[in-house]
Amino acid sequence: NAGVTQTPKFRILKIGQSMTLQCTQDMNHNYMYWYRQDPGMGLKLIYYSVGAGITDKGEVPNGYNVSRSTTEDFPLRLELAAPSQTSVYFCASSYNRDYEQYFGPGTRLTVT
Amino acid sequence: DAKTTQPTSMDCAEGRAANLPCNHSTISGNEYVYWYRQIHSQGPQYIIHGLKNNETNEMASLIITEDRKSSTLILPHATLRDTAVYYCIVRVPPGAGGTSYGKLTFGQGTILTVHP
Repeated sequence: NAGVTQTPKFRILKIGQSMTLQCTQDMNHNYMYWYRQDPGMGLKLIYYSVGAGITDKGEVPNGYNVSRSTTEDFPLRLELAAPSQTSVYFCASSYNRDYEQYFGPGTRLTVT
Repeated sequence: DAKTTQPTSMDCAEGRAANLPCNHSTISGNEYVYWYRQIHSQGPQYIIHGLKNNETNEMASLIITEDRKSSTLILPHATLRDTAVYYCIVRVPPGAGGTSYGKLTFGQGTILTVHP
């Protein structure tokens, strides 16, 4: 199993541009999550999904959108990128809501 | 959410046990204690979790005090590869706090440095 994979690993965006961060898991997990981590800080939840077709907001959803059309994929969309979105983005998955979360390697995004 | 308090940093000699403390004095009866770690530039990695009893797995041991107000993560034989930020997290159960998932709140954690 590859676990949780994320692409790209690095990206530089100009202010106002858009992009999609990809996340795929091959563990047949129902729950998937997107977090962001600012320098020297802990992780904050952006969005999560409890299964295909079902998503909900986390702590910091503004400026982001998600979709979950399949069990495996949970892309995060940034519209109109802003410097405040410069961060490291982690995707995670878990079998069920009571189980531990497995994290991907992260995407480092810089908005200038 | 129950808050956790951890030392900012700790040192440990390679081969010795690393004991990482965590205070969670406001923990509720149905909240679990989770430990994750984050090695530099990588995604967080699950280590262990527990409710009341002490737990052990291939990575570590978790000792929870009887009153559940504090816990200690023990890495029995620390190696250089254990250098990381260690997060103690009190996990709100699904349904509590209005969430449909088991919320994980990552704080500042403890920077553990294992030296030769």
